[in-house]
Amino acid sequence: GQNIDQPTEMTATEGAIVQINCTYQTSGFNGLFWYQQHAGEAPTFLSYNVLDGLEEKGRFSSFLSRSKGYSYLLLKELQMKDSASYLCAVRAFYGGATNKLIFGTGTLLAVQP
Amino acid sequence: EAGVTQFPSHSVIEKGQTVTLRCDPISGHDNLYWYRRVMGKEIKFLLHFVKESKQDESGMPNNRFLAERTGGTYSTLKVQPAELEDSGVYFCASSHRLAGGPDTGELFFGEGSRLTVL
Repeated sequence: GQNIDQPTEMTATEGAIVQINCTYQTSGFNGLFWYQQHAGEAPTFLSYNVLDGLEEKGRFSSFLSRSKGYSYLLLKELQMKDSASYLCAVRAFYGGATNKLIFGTGTLLAVQP
Repeated sequence: EAGVTQFPSHSVIEKGQTVTLRCDPISGHDNLYWYRRVMGKEIKFLLHFVKESKQDESGMPNNRFLAERTGGTYSTLKVQPAELEDSGVYFCASSHRLAGGPDTGELFFGEGSRLTVL
């Protein structure tokens, strides 16, 4: 079956670093995505990993280990505006139906002053 | 460039009534997806269009749900008759096919249509 786990909530301090973990079990793995969603808004794309290793994009980095079924999103120099829900999603390949994403329940990050 | 737009943003109906949700994808995006988030749970896949064709509708809950994408542009999702458990936020997303190069498969989401069935 398909399963994605991530913490429900996290709290961090402005200016600090926070790591949000995601573990997954899925067949036909074809990439892992992180999305950011502010309350009442559309999820927006943050990062994509399909090979093992670290992808860095500004203050955000994402890591993937396919053998361990594990990813994390690293947010540096936290800002108040980073308070949002962070969604881990795995793309499962079904022989044509790419981009069928399987989402975790999301991690609600609260950044405090 | 306009993003993915959805209408209505919020709909409140009674059990047994009909509701139609509309999604306008980003212009030129062949792929259109419907997802749903029921309160407290994860966002779940409903179906996928490539242009006007249904590529995958394995996530559709039952035959009370009907999705269409006539002409391969905007899409509608009709729920008839609505039940209490249909309440949630319905997200539409689109992406385009990349000719060559790495396909990140980035989905662009709309803000969702919140459906409340009383």
